[in-house]
Amino acid sequence: QFVLTQPPSVSGAPGQRVTISCTGAGSNIGAGYDVHWYQQLPGTAPKLVIYANNDRPSGVPDRFSGSKSGTSASLAITGLQAEDEADYYCQSYDSGLSGSVFGGGTKLTVL
Amino acid sequence: QVQLVQSGADRKNPGSSVRVSCKASGGTFSHYAISWLRQAPGQGPEWMGGIIPISGTPRYAQKFQGRLTITADQSTTTADMELTNLRSEDTAIYYCARGGVSGSFLGWYDPWGQGTLVIVSS
Repeated sequence: QFVLTQPPSVSGAPGQRVTISCTGAGSNIGAGYDVHWYQQLPGTAPKLVIYANNDRPSGVPDRFSGSKSGTSASLAITGLQAEDEADYYCQSYDSGLSGSVFGGGTKLTVL
Repeated sequence: QVQLVQSGADRKNPGSSVRVSCKASGGTFSHYAISWLRQAPGQGPEWMGGIIPISGTPRYAQKFQGRLTITADQSTTTADMELTNLRSEDTAIYYCARGGVSGSFLGWYDPWGQGTLVIVSS
């Protein structure tokens, strides 16, 4: 249903490092379009945490980082904290659909 | 810092239309796209379409062509979204969001409005 594929869930203990993958295709990530990442806490709007593959908006801790290679991208969170528990979504642009596309989301649980 | 404030929740009958407003304040309005996205319960966001106010020409996702109208008013820094012929599957939280790249529909969305719950039910 969603053009970009993410794992439904990931988990990690406080202080650990977790990564969330985002797999696309040749018409989106593989075509060179940037990937952006959002954090969504329950009952709130998505919040941008990484833009243009690996840039952080001001105010986002440097524990958050992004990378992109080929048709995939990843979000990494180091030094995991309880407040990082949220849903995370990747987003890119698809030339075939002529619009933005999202992943189905990954629920991060901090154990 | 740009802020986007949306109109309140709404409940509609199937077959009717809904209009949601998005008021921008605190930043540049005209040159950055305002997009509309929706999120069904338990699912990821879905891009519906957008408009760059200074151009006035909207762009719609294929899925919503013919049912969706997006407008923007530079004088009031407000963007509106109207979705017609509503069905139960349109029940979702609707968000407006500002594009991150001036004059382009490419790029990220930041900030987002607070969201407007639209329930379609008889």
